[in-house]
Amino acid sequence: GESVGLHLPTLSVQEGDNSIINCAYSNSASDYFIWYKQESGKGPQFIIDIRSNMDKRQGQRVTVLLNKTVKHLSLQIAATQPGDSAVYFCAETTGGSYIPTFGRGTSLIVHP
Amino acid sequence: DAGITQSPRHKVTETGTPVTLRCHQTENHRYMYWYRQDPGHGLRLIHYSYGVKDTDKGEVSDGYSVSRSKTEDFLLTLESATSSQTSVYFCAISGGAGLEDEQYFGPGTRLTVT
Repeated sequence: GESVGLHLPTLSVQEGDNSIINCAYSNSASDYFIWYKQESGKGPQFIIDIRSNMDKRQGQRVTVLLNKTVKHLSLQIAATQPGDSAVYFCAETTGGSYIPTFGRGTSLIVHP
Repeated sequence: DAGITQSPRHKVTETGTPVTLRCHQTENHRYMYWYRQDPGHGLRLIHYSYGVKDTDKGEVSDGYSVSRSKTEDFLLTLESATSSQTSVYFCAISGGAGLEDEQYFGPGTRLTVT
């Protein structure tokens, strides 16, 4: 079937490199942000989240940075592995609305 | 998949026929959502539910209806399927205690309307 990764920005990296995936959001009132990973043929998978009272949050091999001044979110993946190959997209919500707005995503390709 | 199942996982149907997709959760989350995902469009919200028998429209609700008679089940119905409704459909849940904002997705249903 047609991949969700078609028509998306693509980031190609070598195994072991660090990857940075960016997301610009539009609503200055958004106060909760999530990064998702979607592998081919699967549903989106929660990776990490951050609230607007924070600038940085770290997980296992992943770090999310939030710059509210320029409305920018980034996901850093350390020591990228072939298993990290997927589409990554961010989502934002406002004040407990429970209706997130999703970005279109970035396709990450990791070359062994 | 955080206790979310979707059925069927794949379906091929003819234009004009009714189709119902089922989402079932075992997490007792309050909110349930139906999205469609198409190349070039990302995830688009069709309908969502904020409780039993409480539903509302999303951005692409035309041609779809939903029902939620129990906390664990959220049904999406295409009253008369059209080729433009060929897509991958995802169910999601949120509103768990202490995890109100986190949204978890099911494995998806690939629907083809011929």
